[in-house]
Amino acid sequence: NAGVTQTPKFQVLKTGQSMTLQCAQDMNHEYMSWYRQDPGMGLRLIHYSVGAGITDQGEVPNGYNVSRSTTEDFPLRLLSAAPSQTSVYFCASSPPSRDLSMNEQFFGPGTRLTVL
Amino acid sequence: DQQVKQNSPSLSVQEGRISILNCDYTNSMFDYFLWYKKYPAEGPTFLISISSIKDKNEDGRFTVFLNKSAKHLSLHIVPSQPGDSAVYFCAARYNAGNMLTFGGGTRLMVKP
Repeated sequence: NAGVTQTPKFQVLKTGQSMTLQCAQDMNHEYMSWYRQDPGMGLRLIHYSVGAGITDQGEVPNGYNVSRSTTEDFPLRLLSAAPSQTSVYFCASSPPSRDLSMNEQFFGPGTRLTVL
Repeated sequence: DQQVKQNSPSLSVQEGRISILNCDYTNSMFDYFLWYKKYPAEGPTFLISISSIKDKNEDGRFTVFLNKSAKHLSLHIVPSQPGDSAVYFCAARYNAGNMLTFGGGTRLMVKP
């Protein structure tokens, strides 16, 4: 199993450009999510999906779009990049949680994005 | 307003001694708490978790303590090893869902 993979590892954009960060998992996990990590802020949830065809907003969704057409893939789109979107982006996946248990989320290696 | 806070951005400990990392939360609807460890240029990896119905969970050198009345949890690492040097994130689950809320992280440095 490759686990959770993310591409690209690094990306530099100019303000106003658009791009898609790719995320794929081969563990047949229903739940997938995107986080951004900023210094002192921890990881903040951008969007998440509980299964193919279902997506929802997290804590900081503005400026980002997602779709979930397959169980394996969960791309994150930046529509018009802004310097405030400079961050490290992590994709994660997990089986669905149950009331009295919590399945750990498996994280990808991250994409470091700089917007000039 | 951060619902999960790690008030110490960094901690330095001598090898072999105990490391104690702290985390405070505000939302009483959090029902599960997790600790993740992160090395540079890698994604976070799960370390240990605890349900809100327990007050302690132990896994080898790692123990997590939960004090619900104080809305406080802590991670103890005994004995600390240089390979434990990493950033540690506390995270909380809201009401049996899948979403996690993370703290800002604490950078642990274990000196040989």
